[in-house]
Amino acid sequence: EIVLTQSPGTLSLSPGERATLSCRASQSVSSSNLAWYQQKPGQAPRLLIYGASTRATGIPDRFSGSGSGTDFTLTISRLEPEDFAVYHCQQYGSSPPYTFGQGTKLEIK
Amino acid sequence: EVQLVESGGGLVQPGRSLRLSCAASGFTFDDYAMHWVRQAPGKGLEWVSGISKNSADIGYADSVKGRFTISRDNAKNSLYLQMNSLRPEDTALYYCAKRPPTFPAFDSWGQGTLVTVSS
Repeated sequence: EIVLTQSPGTLSLSPGERATLSCRASQSVSSSNLAWYQQKPGQAPRLLIYGASTRATGIPDRFSGSGSGTDFTLTISRLEPEDFAVYHCQQYGSSPPYTFGQGTKLEIK
Repeated sequence: EVQLVESGGGLVQPGRSLRLSCAASGFTFDDYAMHWVRQAPGKGLEWVSGISKNSADIGYADSVKGRFTISRDNAKNSLYLQMNSLRPEDTALYYCAKRPPTFPAFDSWGQGTLVTVSS
């Protein structure tokens, strides 16, 4: 099983700042198989990025994804108030086919 | 507009059964694989099970294998999860999610149905 470890667990920043979230895999993951989601309290996850760097439909361009192999990054260039949420990375592989990281909480400083 | 609406959750005693449903609308249901993903209170996301568009391919997480059964009825645009021999650790919010054919991620999610396993 590929384990995804997200860091930091909590990130405290102010609106307008840049956020950098990390997702590290225990084994190499194909870039096409790495996704990021945003989840706000009481809401379902929302797909932000797939294929490590492709924004999903309707996602603002302040969100970007990068990385390869075992290290992937989600960057939010200028934080808006609505961006404060929990972010999950997810990979597709085998047995089990889908695993998620434990999440990074992005909170207002 | 894509809509996924889960139902069937509730409070159930350990060892009992529950059947979850997910009603889909706003897209061609039988063009998509569908999945169940759960989230225990205050915890992260865990993939539970998935089914291909024609039900030919089915998969389960090890934690539910042999106890849960996924199925779908394309004529009714519905996804199901039969959960037997429930355990307290199955307590979670259960989401159904749609997986497009072009990339391995979940591009639409329902709001979830809460399953609580407790005596």
